[in-house]
Amino acid sequence: SAVISQKPSRDICQRGTSLTIQCQVDSQVTMMFWYRQQPGQSLTLIATANQGSEATYESGFVIDKFPISRPNLTFSTLTVSNMSPEDSSIYLCSVDSRGLDNEQFFGPGTRLTVL
Amino acid sequence: TQLLEQSPQFLSIQEGENLTVYCNSSSVFSSLQWYRQEPGEGPVLLVTVVTGGEVKKLKRLTFQFGDARKDSSLHITAAQPGDTGLYLCAGARNTGGFKTIFGAGTRLFVKA
Repeated sequence: SAVISQKPSRDICQRGTSLTIQCQVDSQVTMMFWYRQQPGQSLTLIATANQGSEATYESGFVIDKFPISRPNLTFSTLTVSNMSPEDSSIYLCSVDSRGLDNEQFFGPGTRLTVL
Repeated sequence: TQLLEQSPQFLSIQEGENLTVYCNSSSVFSSLQWYRQEPGEGPVLLVTVVTGGEVKKLKRLTFQFGDARKDSSLHITAAQPGDTGLYLCAGARNTGGFKTIFGAGTRLFVKA
């Protein structure tokens, strides 16, 4: 398993501002994932962050809105840019288990509220 | 398009009752995971099923993978308040690279 921490755990932001969320893993991992979980809903993959290359974004998510950094094998950041109330959500990072069964380990999440 | 249909979406039961949560798809998955998420935390992996027809038990929880690897079920026997949480199934497909798709989740509330 992997121990994953996220900062901040929660934040309340004004519309039009940006917030950067940090994700730290206690071991080196190849792939890190960023998810959004809107209130009462399931997880939607935003992008896959690979070290040494640009992140791969899912349909409906773009780099200008959600820029991602992956400077090394234990750390990644997700920025939510030019926020609106619709961006209020829980943002989760996860890593794969490096096994063959696609298991993921998740951070505790960042609860974002945009006013 | 929701490729993984999870039901029921919400379940409120008394302590001691049994329940089953279903996860269905028209797609074949190479593996399927079940997670539980509690408020303020990220999902925690409960089990992975890989082989069609596979049954795994985790104390009072029984997980089954359909023979065709398109569906799965989670059965909880004698539910306890500590089982309260959001249960998520997630299927992995090899589409030129593995992609994991999450079901909509089942929110379970067990009353003491």
